[in-house]
Amino acid sequence: NAGVMQNPRHLVRRRGQEARLRCSPMKGHSHVYWYRQLPEEGLKFMVYLQKENIIDESGMPKERFSAEFPKEGPSILRIQQVVRGDSAAYFCASSPGQGLTEAFFGQGTRLTVV
Amino acid sequence: GENVEQHPSTLSVQEGDSAVIKCTYSDSASNYFPWYKQELGKGPQLIIDIRSNVGEKKDQRIAVTLNKTAKHFSLHITETQPEDSAVYFCAARKAGTALIFGKGTTLSVSS
Repeated sequence: NAGVMQNPRHLVRRRGQEARLRCSPMKGHSHVYWYRQLPEEGLKFMVYLQKENIIDESGMPKERFSAEFPKEGPSILRIQQVVRGDSAAYFCASSPGQGLTEAFFGQGTRLTVV
Repeated sequence: GENVEQHPSTLSVQEGDSAVIKCTYSDSASNYFPWYKQELGKGPQLIIDIRSNVGEKKDQRIAVTLNKTAKHFSLHITETQPEDSAVYFCAARKAGTALIFGKGTTLSVSS
């Protein structure tokens, strides 16, 4: 019973390139959450998605960042025209539904912008 | 929206001692409070959670208490071991929303 799978684990991009981060939720989970973690800091909420629907994107920067969770396939967090300040660990979590259910995290993608 | 404060930011204890981490939340509608442990280079791991209809929950050496009136909850680790050294995060949420996290506590257990 595989957990939340994120890939790639490490991603290096030059300034101005696009970064695509993938998250496959646990089997049976239809809700996905993305968080950003800077060194020595906590987990900052970015976006909450259900399949084919964005529930809450209040934590997402208004420019360059977008997220989707299609009917088929993984959830994707896309960062266009990356800048050095985007360097961070990005974590995805999934849960079975909206109720008070547990959320489980993946191992994260560590993005480095050079 | 919800805001979660966590204290202390760092905590050093001797092996065998107890450790207590405290969190407060702002949204009185929040009713689910999990705790996560994060080791270096890994994702957060759920270690215990509590729902608002319960005041205390225990799992071996770990316990969590919740005071809804005061809007605070705490993690208690007894008989600490070196492998308990990690960063611990508290979080809060209500149905239909995402977890909002505290800024974390770095726990160091020395033998």
